[in-house]
Amino acid sequence: DIQMTQSPSSLSASVGDRVTITCRASQGISNYLAWFQQKPGKAPKSLIYAASSLQSGVPSKFSASGSGTDFTLTISSLQPEDFATYYCQQYNSYPLTFGGGTKVEIK
Amino acid sequence: QVQLVQSGAEVKKPGASVKVSCKASGYTFTNYGISWVRQAPGQGLEWMGWISAYNGNTKYAQKVQGRVTMTTDTSTSTAYMELRSLTSDDTAVYYCAREALLGYWGQGTLVTVSS
Repeated sequence: DIQMTQSPSSLSASVGDRVTITCRASQGISNYLAWFQQKPGKAPKSLIYAASSLQSGVPSKFSASGSGTDFTLTISSLQPEDFATYYCQQYNSYPLTFGGGTKVEIK
Repeated sequence: QVQLVQSGAEVKKPGASVKVSCKASGYTFTNYGISWVRQAPGQGLEWMGWISAYNGNTKYAQKVQGRVTMTTDTSTSTAYMELRSLTSDDTAVYYCAREALLGYWGQGTLVTVSS
């Protein structure tokens, strides 16, 4: 199975900050990497697919990059609605696997 | 618009089974598979399996293999996930999502296993 390791597991940031989350795969997954945002009590929401492609309707303050084993998600200017938990997920091969999540909290 | 609407919350006793449904709309059901993902209280996301809505082929996570069955009913565009021999470790919110890309998610179904 491909292990997905996210870091940090949590972070505190202020409104307007630029935030970067990293995700590392235990083996190469090309660009078969997605990012999700989850708010408490809600289903995850797809933000990014194919490592860097923005889902329709997702604001451009979200950007992502990477290929192979190392990936990043960046939020350019954190807004109150962005405080949530973020997960990466590989869909290169089954079983699909998720990172452990990064909780973005208000400083 | 694409929608996945799941069945309501369930409370089950240890050893029982649960069957969660996921009704799809807004797209051609047989063109995409359905994945099932669960989330235990306060924990991360765990993929359980995937079913092709085209031909019923399945892939299951090793952790639930032997206890889970995923099916579809193409006449109603509905996917089902049945989990048997429930234990307290199966208490979680269960989500369906479209394909392996998980671009669209259901609202989640809370399954509580308690004696």
